[in-house]
Amino acid sequence: NAGVTQTPKFRVLKTGQSMTLLCAQDMNHEYMYWYRQDPGMGLRLIHYSVGEGTTAKGEVPDGYNVSRLKKQNFLLGLESAAPSQTSVYFCASSYDFGNTIYFGEGSWLTVV
Amino acid sequence: GQQLNQSPQSMFIQEGEDVSMNCTSSSIFNTWLWYKQDPGEGPVLLIALYKAGELTSNGRLTAQFGITRKDSFLNISASIPSDVGIYFCAGQLRGSQGNLIFGKGTKLSVKP
Repeated sequence: NAGVTQTPKFRVLKTGQSMTLLCAQDMNHEYMYWYRQDPGMGLRLIHYSVGEGTTAKGEVPDGYNVSRLKKQNFLLGLESAAPSQTSVYFCASSYDFGNTIYFGEGSWLTVV
Repeated sequence: GQQLNQSPQSMFIQEGEDVSMNCTSSSIFNTWLWYKQDPGEGPVLLIALYKAGELTSNGRLTAQFGITRKDSFLNISASIPSDVGIYFCAGQLRGSQGNLIFGKGTKLSVKP
């Protein structure tokens, strides 16, 4: 049971570089999410998707883009990384809103 | 945005002691979820609550959905060293078709 998997697990970027975080779920969930976790801030929603081909902004969307071309995948992109984007990123999925969401193991991103 | 107030922020207890933490809000919630996050891992669901007044147990863990729908608590009985981690509450606002809101977490340390 893979659940939610995300890659890469660790990455160091230089300011201005771009990268994409990949998320895959094998639970046939409609809803997928990207969160960031910072010390003392808890989990904050970046973007989410309610189904294939749809995306929506969360609480802290600036500086990020997402795509949901396939139901099982949700990609998070940083077009021009900034040090403020140093964080731990979690992908998650759920069957429905307000329902139990399942998290991936996290991706540690450092922007220098 | 809406906030969940989770307390305490941290706890340092002796093995065998009972633990209690809670989340409160000025808003009414449809759903309360409790997650645990181990270092270097993603949050894992402990207990899900869907009805006001609901009291649910999972081993040594017990959680309740407050009657007012504005709060929830999590109790851990007879703590053990592996209970160490960060515990998060999460909830969906009543009348919202939106996402879960997360508390900022309670960091639990257990001294053997």
